[in-house]
Amino acid sequence: SYVLTQPPSLSVAPGKTARITCGGNNIGSTSVHWYQQKPGQAPVVVIYYDSDRPSGIPERFSGSNSGNTATLTISGVEAGDEADYYCQVWDRSSDHYVFGTGTKVTVL
Amino acid sequence: QVQLVQSGAEVKKPGASVKVSCKASGYTFTTYYMHWVRQAPGQGLEWMGIINTSGGSTSYAQKYQGRVTMTRDTSTGTVYMELSSLRSEDTAVYYCARVAAAGQEAFDYWGQGTLVTVSS
Repeated sequence: SYVLTQPPSLSVAPGKTARITCGGNNIGSTSVHWYQQKPGQAPVVVIYYDSDRPSGIPERFSGSNSGNTATLTISGVEAGDEADYYCQVWDRSSDHYVFGTGTKVTVL
Repeated sequence: QVQLVQSGAEVKKPGASVKVSCKASGYTFTTYYMHWVRQAPGQGLEWMGIINTSGGSTSYAQKYQGRVTMTRDTSTGTVYMELSSLRSEDTAVYYCARVAAAGQEAFDYWGQGTLVTVSS
């Protein structure tokens, strides 16, 4: 089955840039979505189709995808960005939907 | 506005079944598919399956084949997820999540989650 690997945690100071990676075999050949989940809440999509932002999501959130790594970048990190982040793809070969292992972002 | 409202928390004994509902509003129900995703305490997100709300066809994660059933009621705009032969490892928050189509679409709206606790 297709596996998406994320770093378990990431700490970043306010105002700095956080880069969250999502590794998968040839992930650049498929579309990646990113979700933010705050404690006790349902996930919210923050990036879809690799780099598109839903309405209401700040421009500070951006995404890229190439080769074996997709990246979610949060520029000018704010305290309110502290959350768990998950990447997600559709694995065409198995027709299964796969989530990454998740990254907990802590704002120092 | 789009809303997915799930049924309340459940406590079940091992071996029992649970049926969680997800009522959609604010859009045309049959023009979107619905996924079910679960999250065990302190763990990540895990996909369980998807239902075509128009035709009723389903696709389940291999892990849950034979134990999960997803259905829908187009008259009320509600989807259901039933999980049988419950064990303690099934203790989790269960979410429904909408997608515009099967395949590469993002899960754009999520329900609030339903906690299912399996305990003797």
